[in-house]
Amino acid sequence: AQTVTQSQPEMSVQEAETVTLSCTYDTSESNYYLFWYKQPPSRQMILVIRQEAYKQQNATENRFSVNFQKAAKSFSLKISDSQLGDTAMYFCAFMEDSNYQLIWGAGTKLIIKP
Amino acid sequence: SAVISQKPSRDICQRGTSLTIQCQVDSQVTMMFWYRQQPGQSLTLIATANQGSEATYESGFVIDKFPISRPNLTFSTLTVSNMSPEDSSIYLCSVHDPNTGELFFGEGSRLTVL
Repeated sequence: AQTVTQSQPEMSVQEAETVTLSCTYDTSESNYYLFWYKQPPSRQMILVIRQEAYKQQNATENRFSVNFQKAAKSFSLKISDSQLGDTAMYFCAFMEDSNYQLIWGAGTKLIIKP
Repeated sequence: SAVISQKPSRDICQRGTSLTIQCQVDSQVTMMFWYRQQPGQSLTLIATANQGSEATYESGFVIDKFPISRPNLTFSTLTVSNMSPEDSSIYLCSVHDPNTGELFFGEGSRLTVL
């Protein structure tokens, strides 16, 4: 069975710093998707970034980028120039190509301090 | 991207009563999912609801406790029956975009059972 592990329950950095959130997963599949979702206190689940496993190039969305290491089954999220609005829970999630159910990590609470 | 509206946003209910949560999508979607997020936890899939067929429930969830309706391609309801304080959670509706592989979420319904 697929599993997703986020080993950092909570992280805290100063505004404008760079922070990296870690995520590892376990699967025997070769085709899959990986996601980072953000859940601020408003509880709306927002997609931050997605990565298709068949793509070697790391996904980037403005200040957000991933380091996707397929062989190591690692999918970390880097947030550059962090902002107060980045304060939220961040969830890493895995989805098989043929099954649209998400497998979720436990989440990392990120606090950006002014 | 899909826009999802959930009602109610929050409610406080008495033990033993039932509550129905509505999920409305602004476009036709095949697959809809209902998740539960207990306080401080990650998301747990309750069931997958496809239009025209019975919902598929995950281990630990049964139809008698969480009946689901899916009358058309833009709407679904989840009922939490015979509630107890252990049912106090956020319940989220989500839909799958087959073109991008991503899931979009409603704002969630925060349920408190006294």
